[in-house]
Amino acid sequence: GQQLNQSPQSMFIQEGEDVSMNCTSSSIFNTWLWYKQDPGEGPVLLIALYKAGELTSNGRLTAQFGITRKDSFLNISASIPSDVGIYFCAGHPQGAQKLVFGQGTRLTINP
Amino acid sequence: GAVVSQHPSRVICKSGTSVKIECRSLDFQATTMFWYRQFPKQSLMLMATSNEGSKATYEQGVEKDKFLINHASLTLSTLTVTSAHPEDSSFYICSARDGTGRGGQETQYFGPGTRLLVL
Repeated sequence: GQQLNQSPQSMFIQEGEDVSMNCTSSSIFNTWLWYKQDPGEGPVLLIALYKAGELTSNGRLTAQFGITRKDSFLNISASIPSDVGIYFCAGHPQGAQKLVFGQGTRLTINP
Repeated sequence: GAVVSQHPSRVICKSGTSVKIECRSLDFQATTMFWYRQFPKQSLMLMATSNEGSKATYEQGVEKDKFLINHASLTLSTLTVTSAHPEDSSFYICSARDGTGRGGQETQYFGPGTRLLVL
């Protein structure tokens, strides 16, 4: 079935540093969604991308829909302690209604 | 963004009993809702797709007689874990699709999850 490769699996950074994570696929996706999940909570939508090449920001977060429609990245600038959590990329493969998830990136921030 | 609620947030039950989890879209109508299961330190695993007014579509390996799904209205879907056993203990998360997104695209919003512990 469809799979998304998300990297890195985990990140340990200092507060104030910038963060970058990405997802790639072997097939074309129609949408890319980035979620953040805190422990014991459901995923919260951060950014939704609908067009190839689209670059969208949400505060300190920026995400882009790759031009090939097979990848996406999420950047977080000037990280703060509340950015800690697990970030998931997800997307709708072409012709499918099911959302496919990446494996997640666990972000840990040292104050 | 859109809000999806789940109830209960946490439930502990005895083995052999049934547990019902409710999922509601609070500010939009959802013709399609999804039920996921998540084990510790893993990604979300889709269990079934619930379409309003029709039978749910289950993923391979998910027992439809054990995980009963009802999507009776555009804002409510329920998941009933029948004859629960300790191995059913997990974090269950619902999601609702908002079809009113930009350019006709659809976005999925997730509920806060339900932690089920079967003793």
